[in-house]
Amino acid sequence: DTGVSQDPRHKITKRGQNVTFRCDPISEHNRLYWYRQTLGQGPEFLTYFQNEAQLEKSRLLSDRFSAERPKGSFSTLEIQRTEQGDSAMYLCASSFGGGDEQYFGPGTRLTVT
Amino acid sequence: GNSVTQMEGPVTLSEEAFLTINCTYTATGYPSLFWYVQYPGEGLQLLLKATKADDKGSNKGFEATYRKETTSFHLEKGSVQVSDSAVYFCALKGSNYKLTFGKGTLLTVNP
Repeated sequence: DTGVSQDPRHKITKRGQNVTFRCDPISEHNRLYWYRQTLGQGPEFLTYFQNEAQLEKSRLLSDRFSAERPKGSFSTLEIQRTEQGDSAMYLCASSFGGGDEQYFGPGTRLTVT
Repeated sequence: GNSVTQMEGPVTLSEEAFLTINCTYTATGYPSLFWYVQYPGEGLQLLLKATKADDKGSNKGFEATYRKETTSFHLEKGSVQVSDSAVYFCALKGSNYKLTFGKGTLLTVNP
């Protein structure tokens, strides 16, 4: 199966620490998206890439958040100086070209203590 | 901006019952509409989609029709199974590629 993969699946960190998540999209997909999902809510858009270019960022993405997709393949999402409010499931999705369908990974669950 | 409102849960049904989960949306232009499903411990999976008015999306016995006049995309299934127990999300995609989701509806089907 060559679906979207995310690593790690779970991360527990202390407030103030930095964390980094990785997403590997489906290999031929040129668009990659990050979403955040908190308990009882639907996923909320954070940012998206077309190849290596970051084309849109949500206002949810504060200065402590940074995302990269250096070679247009995998992507990383870093959160600096984590806060308890950052606790959530971080979801990655990918799509091909202008296609409607976004395929989601299993997510990384972040807990900030 | 775009928004999706879906029926609050949880919804509890007996096996073989009829299911409807309501979804309405607000969007500019002509969005594509989706239902995603999230089974316990798993990621989001696309269940069905419709890309223009009056289109009907269907998959695994589930159906939803894109109704532009009522800005709705209600999910239906004639006979639910225990294995359909999951969280269902209605979503739309506008011209800027990102998905806007509803809050999700937890469905529990009892044998």
